[in-house]
Amino acid sequence: DSGVTQTPKHLITATGQRVTLRCSPRSGDLSVYWYQQSLDQGLQFLIQYYNGEERAKGNILERFSAQQFPDLHSELNLSSLELGDSALYFCASSAGGTSWTQYFGPGTRLTVL
Amino acid sequence: AQSVTQLGSHVSVSEGALVLLRCNYSSSVPPYLFWYVQYPNQGLQLLLKYTSAATLVKGINGFEAEFKKSETSFHLTKPSAHMSDAAEYFCAVSDQGSGGGADGLTFGKGTHLIIQP
Repeated sequence: DSGVTQTPKHLITATGQRVTLRCSPRSGDLSVYWYQQSLDQGLQFLIQYYNGEERAKGNILERFSAQQFPDLHSELNLSSLELGDSALYFCASSAGGTSWTQYFGPGTRLTVL
Repeated sequence: AQSVTQLGSHVSVSEGALVLLRCNYSSSVPPYLFWYVQYPNQGLQLLLKYTSAATLVKGINGFEAEFKKSETSFHLTKPSAHMSDAAEYFCAVSDQGSGGGADGLTFGKGTHLIIQP
């Protein structure tokens, strides 16, 4: 158990809908990262937050957005969903600063029908 | 831009044999390198990391990796494979972030390790 929690574990929705994925980092970790894992694209970094502020962006679509709240949990919002958005979405956390280790949550499997 | 190449999408070894999973990276600055393992229907677990200290890095479950700058490689090895090692293995690279710790990781496409009894 990495200490990173993600909810829900599974999510099934329809095209055009909007969903929110939630992540709670390890106790004390300030950085949260979001990744997407799909068969065709592999594991891709989406976005990073550090202590409530956006720190780095990867291959995140404009239809996707994220935020980190004062209690450090994070949410990834996916809107106007398409079939191709079906994937595993992972959250990871790290202490930040000079810490380089990212601890991954169990993931949320999103299926868009 | 960083990139990671993992040679061999599938590697099959016999139980008790040497495991060698290959990883080559491309980075414009000294990289930080990681190996993660993913078991079916689970998240990623860190096996080991290189962060510019010793070039030979020991990790969990008997795995180790050697950073070779001249070859831009960070291959993962284990002297004797066990059935429980069957999983997907990912090599990843990160540059130093802007003060909030590491940037997002760039992953290789993964190597599926198969252990033959």
